[in-house]
Amino acid sequence: GAVVSQHPSRVICKSGTSVKIECRSLDFQATTMFWYRQFPKQSLMLMATSNEGSKATYEQGVEKDKFLINHASLTLSTLTVTSAHPEDSSFYICSALGLLQETQYFGPGTRLLVL
Amino acid sequence: GENVEQHPSTLSVQEGDSAVIKCTYSDSASNYFPWYKQELGKRPQLIIDIRSNVGEKKDQRIAVTLNKTAKHFSLHITETQPEDSAVYFCAAKRTSGTYKYIFGTGTRLKVLA
Repeated sequence: GAVVSQHPSRVICKSGTSVKIECRSLDFQATTMFWYRQFPKQSLMLMATSNEGSKATYEQGVEKDKFLINHASLTLSTLTVTSAHPEDSSFYICSALGLLQETQYFGPGTRLLVL
Repeated sequence: GENVEQHPSTLSVQEGDSAVIKCTYSDSASNYFPWYKQELGKRPQLIIDIRSNVGEKKDQRIAVTLNKTAKHFSLHITETQPEDSAVYFCAAKRTSGTYKYIFGTGTRLKVLA
């Protein structure tokens, strides 16, 4: 089946530093990937849609200069949290759309803690 | 804007009983409705989905029903087991144009042994 990996699984960083999270589709090509953020006991909040070879589409209220997304290949999208602050601490999950552009396959998530 | 309402937010049932979770969507162009199960600290996993040209779909103890006119869809779990305890999310999506998923707020299901 379709497998999506995410790295790192957990990261602790100091306030003001930048953190890069990678999302890879391991056995299929994904022209579209999604980045979500999930706070404890809450639903998944879509941050942006990442399209291979073009600029990401950000949801309202998500700062594109703070959450940089790059989808340089059909199997890799990266999310960089720039100048991270404690309020950026959250669970970040990516997903990739399958070939039929219908089913999404989730990565295992990255837990970010900013001190 | 588009949204999906999900009820209840929490649900406790005795082992062996049935559980029903309901969702209502606002975007009439939605035509794909997946359900996800998420255990604590893990990724959401697709458990069943339904497309708008079908009214009901069943997979062993899990079933989903869709009422397009009312824009309602529901998840039914029969003969619940403790391992069914998790958070369940519904979602709605268009398969043409924007590919964005709209998620419900989640239901925390607890199956009591």
